[in-house]
Amino acid sequence: ETGVTQTPRHLVMGMTNKKSLKCEQHLGHNAMYWYKQSAKKPLELMFVYNFKEQTENNSVPSRFSPECPNSSHLFLHLHTLQPEDSALYLCASSPLRTLTAEQYFGPGTRLTVT
Amino acid sequence: AQTVTQSQPEMSVQEAETVTLSCTYDTSESDYYLFWYKQPPSRQMILVIRQEAYKQQNATENRFSVNFQKAAKSFSLKISDSQLGDAAMYFCAYRNTGNQFYFGTGTSLTVIP
Repeated sequence: ETGVTQTPRHLVMGMTNKKSLKCEQHLGHNAMYWYKQSAKKPLELMFVYNFKEQTENNSVPSRFSPECPNSSHLFLHLHTLQPEDSALYLCASSPLRTLTAEQYFGPGTRLTVT
Repeated sequence: AQTVTQSQPEMSVQEAETVTLSCTYDTSESDYYLFWYKQPPSRQMILVIRQEAYKQQNATENRFSVNFQKAAKSFSLKISDSQLGDAAMYFCAYRNTGNQFYFGTGTSLTVIP
């Protein structure tokens, strides 16, 4: 365990459904991240929050909507997804001011879009 | 944007032997940080080792060491005395001073008993 938890661990949803992924960390970190992990591709950074403010949105489709209500929690709201959105979604956190510090990852949510 | 390349999708090593995983990156920045992460099957990604670009000395962590060649933009990971528990996906990552992380595609390491 690295101190970052994600729920649910597995999710199957239809293209018309709305669901949310949750990430929680109690490591005192002030930066949180969403990544998409697909087979044979680099981890794709989706969103970055520094001190609860979104600082990065790497051309992510609007069907993915992040929310960071406080520095310990991060959500990814999903709606009208496509089958190609099926992947492992990883949450990570890190201390913002310590650049030598690594990111701490959660176990991921395995998402399948049918 | 920075890119990180791991040219070995799969590697295998005999238990107790040594293996080297390669990583190259492309950047125009002079100050950055490099990491190797390990992702065991169905388990969380964890840090293996880190290297600050301004440090010439190669980082070591027990059986893990890196060969950092800044001019060549190369950052390879050497695993000595390989153990069955080392079997995992290994990702090379680059972090710039703007807190942006870039990952490679990963190398799947198999340890043969």
